[in-house]
Amino acid sequence: DGGITQSPKYLFRKEGQNVTLSCEQNLNHDAMYWYRQDPGQGLRLIYYSQIVNDFQKGDIAEGYSVSREKKESFPLTVTSAQKNPTAFYLCASTNPGSSGANVLTFGAGSRLTVL
Amino acid sequence: SQQGEEDPQALSIQEGENATMNCSYKTSINNLQWYRQNSGRGLVHLILIRSNEREKHSGRLRVTLDTSKKSSSLLITASRAADTASYFCATDDTDKLIFGTGTRLQVFP
Repeated sequence: DGGITQSPKYLFRKEGQNVTLSCEQNLNHDAMYWYRQDPGQGLRLIYYSQIVNDFQKGDIAEGYSVSREKKESFPLTVTSAQKNPTAFYLCASTNPGSSGANVLTFGAGSRLTVL
Repeated sequence: SQQGEEDPQALSIQEGENATMNCSYKTSINNLQWYRQNSGRGLVHLILIRSNEREKHSGRLRVTLDTSKKSSSLLITASRAADTASYFCATDDTDKLIFGTGTRLQVFP
């Protein structure tokens, strides 16, 4: 079955450590996205990538980094520079323009807790 | 930036009742989408309505769009306990989606 796999589902980090969240899709989608969700809040865009080896900052990119070396993979690194990293992180993908609209497919999410 | 804002923030109803949630947005759009999120899970796409459409149906879902008021509504008819979730509207911004703040729906059996 096609889909998006995020790992790990739960992650605990000590302050000052970098962590990398994995996002892999086998949907052959060109575009991938990372969103952050805080309790009871909507989604805020961190980074997105429309094509391999290219990505753009979203609204809250500070303290995060990404790479897009393969079409299937879009890992997110939460660096020690991110002041408040505890949150639920969601990865999504789509094929822009296939239906004239960006209909996103989401992964199940990764919950990061800083101890 | 958050384009859309939903209201109410939370809604509690009994099974069998209808649930209506509203979304307001700020700028012109090409289309508007609604997504559902079960607690602690990813979002699932429900329905898309284009800017030249006024109403769209999918099963028990009815979506309306009023571009003059920059607003949309999602109606879930004959609700079920399994409809308990958060619902988000999303509008297109060139090459990305901007999500609203969401409505938490609780359906009691």
